[in-house]
Amino acid sequence: LAKTTQPISMDSYEGQEVNITCSHNNIATNDYITWYQQFPSQGPRFIIQGYKTKVTNEVASLFIPADRKSSTLSLPRVSLSDTAVYYCLVGDPLDNAGNMLTFGGGTRLMVKP
Amino acid sequence: DVKVTQSSRYLVKRTGEKVFLECVQDMDHENMFWYRQDPGLGLRLIYFSYDVKMKEKGDIPEGYSVSREKKERFSLILESASTNQTSMYLCASSLPSLFGGPSSYEQYFGPGTRLTVT
Repeated sequence: LAKTTQPISMDSYEGQEVNITCSHNNIATNDYITWYQQFPSQGPRFIIQGYKTKVTNEVASLFIPADRKSSTLSLPRVSLSDTAVYYCLVGDPLDNAGNMLTFGGGTRLMVKP
Repeated sequence: DVKVTQSSRYLVKRTGEKVFLECVQDMDHENMFWYRQDPGLGLRLIYFSYDVKMKEKGDIPEGYSVSREKKERFSLILESASTNQTSMYLCASSLPSLFGGPSSYEQYFGPGTRLTVT
């Protein structure tokens, strides 16, 4: 079971780029890396998912080095509304045991004016 | 847009009561999940279901049961509520993996039910 480690919290200012790194030293060959965002009093929301190298969508970019033992979620030019908790998950889409469905404590990002 | 709805946003129950939390999704997803979220502990998986009448235990199933009689509906049951079950409960749904069963593909979450057991 791939366990993930993220910083507990991070502070940033509006307009800055924020990079949140997740460590997953025991990632397995078939595991994907997924990031979710959660605002207070809401359920988590899918942000991005990737397997290797770089994935980009309209919200964020996900950088995965060749050894895949870590990944970095990059949020360009954050605004106050990006203040949330960000979760990194690692899991195998073909795993029927549910082992991939583990959300850690997440990283609490605070964006300041 | 996928919509996952939960029967109540806030619920207050007494110790020993039987509690039903209902979740409905409208995207014909095979997979449905129940999590609880507590400060400092993140989300923890209670039960999941990858088909009608199918259920699998998650990380913390003790004190809970589930029911999935229809594809769109997944119920979480607290047979005898206790104060340590006071928590935020989140339901989610997703598409299945390529060969059936749950997957790490995108999960869609409901707004949550904040349950207080007194």
